[in-house]
Amino acid sequence: SQQGEEDPQALSIQEGENATMNCSYKTSINNLQWYRQNSGRGLVHLILIRSNEREKHSGRLRVTLDTSKKSSSLLITASRAADTASYFCATDVDTGRRALTFGSGTRLQVQP
Amino acid sequence: ETGVTQTPRHLVMGMTNKKSLKCEQHLGHNAMYWYKQSAKKPLELMFVYNFKEQTENNSVPSRFSPECPNSSHLFLHLHTLQPEDSALYLCASSPDFLSYNEQFFGPGTRLTVL
Repeated sequence: SQQGEEDPQALSIQEGENATMNCSYKTSINNLQWYRQNSGRGLVHLILIRSNEREKHSGRLRVTLDTSKKSSSLLITASRAADTASYFCATDVDTGRRALTFGSGTRLQVQP
Repeated sequence: ETGVTQTPRHLVMGMTNKKSLKCEQHLGHNAMYWYKQSAKKPLELMFVYNFKEQTENNSVPSRFSPECPNSSHLFLHLHTLQPEDSALYLCASSPDFLSYNEQFFGPGTRLTVL
C-alpha cells in the first residue's frame, strides 16, 4: 500500500463546521505536505510541516504531526463552500529518495 | 494561476496515434515533474527532471517518452497508448529536486485513449 493514506475518503459537512482529515504513513519522513485539488484541476500547496514540528497554522488551516503514530491531521475551521475540494497529504521518505509520495486524498464537500 | 501551464487541456486519441503533451513553467524553477492521476488511485510520479537531467523514471512504460529541452519546458510524447492510460496528466515544478520544496502544479491534461 502507499506511503500516505488519507482518512476518511469522503467527508460532507455544512458551511461553518470544522473539517478534519487524517493522513497515516508507514516509514520515517523528513516532512509532510498538504495539497488541495479542485475537481479536474492541478494541486495547490497548502502547508508543509517538518518532522521536528508538532503543529502549524496557516489562516483557517491547522496541521498536526505525530511522528510516533506516523500520522498527521489537517483541520479546516469555519468551512466555506469554496473549501469543497480533494485534499492530499504528501510525504517524502527518509531513505535518500527525494520524491514525494501522495495519498489517495479526502474528498471534502461543504454544503452551503 | 500557479505559473505552470499545460497544453492541451483535453486530448482524445486512438491507440495508434502519436501525440505530445506540453508543460511550461514561468517560475525559474529547475525541477519539473510528470504525474499521472487515475480515478480513485493515488497520484503517481512518472518522471523527474532536475536541471534538464532525468533523475527519476518510476518504471514507466516506454510508450511514454519524456523530453526536457530546457528547465522551463517539459514534454511527454505518447505513442501506441492503451485505454488504461486514460487519466489526468499533471506537470509540476519546484525550485529544485528536494522534498521540502513546495511543488507548483499545472491544471493538467485530461487524456482519453479510445
